[in-house]
Amino acid sequence: AQSVTQLGSHVSVSEGALVLLRCNYSSSVPPYLFWYVQYPNQGLQLLLKYTSAATLVKGINGFEAEFKKSETSFHLTKPSAHMSDAAEYFCAVSRSSNTGKLIFGQGTTLQVKP
Amino acid sequence: EAGVTQSPTHLIKTRGQQVTLRCSPISGHTSVYWYQQALGLGLQFLLWYDEGEERNRGNFPPRFSGRQFPNYSSELNVNALELEDSALYLCASSISDLDRETQYFGPGTRLLVL
Repeated sequence: AQSVTQLGSHVSVSEGALVLLRCNYSSSVPPYLFWYVQYPNQGLQLLLKYTSAATLVKGINGFEAEFKKSETSFHLTKPSAHMSDAAEYFCAVSRSSNTGKLIFGQGTTLQVKP
Repeated sequence: EAGVTQSPTHLIKTRGQQVTLRCSPISGHTSVYWYQQALGLGLQFLLWYDEGEERNRGNFPPRFSGRQFPNYSSELNVNALELEDSALYLCASSISDLDRETQYFGPGTRLLVL
């Protein structure tokens, strides 16, 4: 069975500092991997996705993630945090499009301190 | 281009009542997905509709049902509401061919069951 683990339910960084949100997955086959962001009282916005084209994926708002098969990881990074990055971030995995099902991690709340 | 839209934005019901939530996908998208985001339970896959047919169902009781219309919009129906059905219900859509696995989410409907 597939699963997604996000290490750290809360991460706090200072404005301008590096953001690192961790995601590990378990999958018996190469997966599709996604990062979504959820601002308070809103739906999910797609940040970026990995679909086996390139291991380093660039997304919106300066975020990027690197797929590391050997580590079964897909960590999200941003070189310099901005106050507007404060939100909840979800990592998700889909083995294929045949199930229609995204499996989400439990989410990581990012706090950005001035 | 308009994103996924959902209505209503908020809803208050009492135990035992029935509720219908509505979703309009992004223009050109034929698949619609429903997820439940309940406090403490994370994001759980509910249903997937494609081309008017139910393609997959998550681990939810039969009182959760839905349908997809010829214009690809969708309804989620929940009968005999229970307190634990209080949650944010998110709808997502995807295109049917080359990028089916990428789901784009709407703003959600927040349901409170009293």
